Amino acid sequence: DQQVKQNSPSLSVQEGRISILNCDYTNSMFDYFLWYKKYPAEGPTFLISISSIKDKNEDGRFTVFLNKSAKHLSLHIVPSQPGDSAVYFCAASASGGSSNTGKLIFGQGTTLQVKP
Amino acid sequence: NAGVMQNPRHLVRRRGQEARLRCSPMKGHSHVYWYRQLPEEGLKFMVYLQKENIIDESGMPKERFSAEFPKEGPSILRIQQVVRGDSAAYFCASSPQGVVTNEQFFGPGTRLTVL
Repeated sequence: DQQVKQNSPSLSVQEGRISILNCDYTNSMFDYFLWYKKYPAEGPTFLISISSIKDKNEDGRFTVFLNKSAKHLSLHIVPSQPGDSAVYFCAASASGGSSNTGKLIFGQGTTLQVKP
Repeated sequence: NAGVMQNPRHLVRRRGQEARLRCSPMKGHSHVYWYRQLPEEGLKFMVYLQKENIIDESGMPKERFSAEFPKEGPSILRIQQVVRGDSAAYFCASSPQGVVTNEQFFGPGTRLTVL
C-alpha cells in the first residue's frame, strides 16, 4: 500500500532550466509534506516543507506547491544547477491525535540529473 | 556540533547471525526514528523511540527485530537471525521533539549485507 507515490523514477534537465518533481498521495489524513534530497552513501537532507493550510512555500530556488483536492504536490527548482543532481524524496505525515509522532511516509524517490 | 552518527557504516552478516546497528542522535535530541530503505525503494518507517520508551513500532516486522533507546548510550536496532531479505540501508533520524514540524536530521545510514 504505497500511500506516497513518485511516479517518475528519473528526470534530466539542462543547467539553468526549471526542474519539476511530482508527488501524489492517497491518505487524506496527511497534512504536512516535506521534500528531502539524498546523495549516494549519505542520509537524506531536509529541503523544504509545506503545511496543508498553504498551497505554496518558497525558499530561495526551491518552491513547493500543494494541490489538496488533487492530492498532489510538486517541487520546483529554478534555476537548476549541476549540484542539484541527487535523489529527491517526497514525504508526508499526519499531525492529528495519536498520529502526531512525526513519523514520515516516503515516496520511492526521483533521481534528478542536471546537465551542465 | 556533531550530527547524527551511525555505526557501523557497513555491516556484513551471514544468514542466521545477529546484526546490531547503533545510532547516536544529535546533541540535545531525545527522539529517534529508524527507517529502512530496500534497494530501489523509498525509506520505510520502522520505529520511533524516546529515551527508554518505544512510542510507535508500527513499522517493525513482528519477529526478529527489536529496538531500544536507553537512558545512556546510543539507540540500538537489533536484527536476530538475519535473512537475505534484511539486506538494506538502515537510517536513523533524530529530532528535538516528536512532532512532524520539527525537522528530522538523518544519519549517514548503515548498509547491511546478508550473505
